[in-house]
Amino acid sequence: AAGVIQSPRHLIKEKRETATLKCYPIPRHDTVYWYQQGPGQDPQFLISFYEKMQSDKGSIPDRFSAQQFSDYHSELNMSSLELGDSALYFCASSLKATVYGYTFGSGTRLTVV
Amino acid sequence: ILNVEQSPQSLHVQEGDSTNFTCSFPSSNFYALHWYRWETAKSPEALFVMTLNGDEKKKGRISATLNTKEGYSYLYIKGSQPEDSATYLCAPSPYQGGKLIFGQGTELSVKP
Repeated sequence: AAGVIQSPRHLIKEKRETATLKCYPIPRHDTVYWYQQGPGQDPQFLISFYEKMQSDKGSIPDRFSAQQFSDYHSELNMSSLELGDSALYFCASSLKATVYGYTFGSGTRLTVV
Repeated sequence: ILNVEQSPQSLHVQEGDSTNFTCSFPSSNFYALHWYRWETAKSPEALFVMTLNGDEKKKGRISATLNTKEGYSYLYIKGSQPEDSATYLCAPSPYQGGKLIFGQGTELSVKP
């Protein structure tokens, strides 16, 4: 069965650079969520989209932006990267009308040096 | 904002032992409680989603219960096996399709 696909799996960037993370949800899923997990921390909710519109916003820095496209894939854009942005970034997708567990991708590990 | 607490933070058991862990969450502003199993270098795997007070779900040797009035859920593993070693995360969501608020997880290690 198709899963949530995230790319790239690993990314190394320098401070002040820009990074773009991509998430391809399970086909027919209409909701995408982004989470950030820093070293030794719980996964923190960043932002979600339902039917291409932002549905909820968490602790996402102003330097980050995200969107969901017409094909339902989502991109997280991160600018002016800081060392503290180094983390594992997870994307998950779900079908809002159902009460099933959300499906997570394998994550993108971002290292800022 | 929901505060989710899981206990214990880590657990070391022998193969064959049964074990359980707790997830507590504020009982207000609650829609569903999710349990995930997360192995290192893999993506979190959905175990259960529960919405109703008194819900009980079972999947093989793993089961979970939910008490929405007092704000807690238990996850039980019967006859633990080494392949059960993982971090178990619980996460309530405040509305259908809403964000998950994760606890810090319980790290389970099962020794042969």
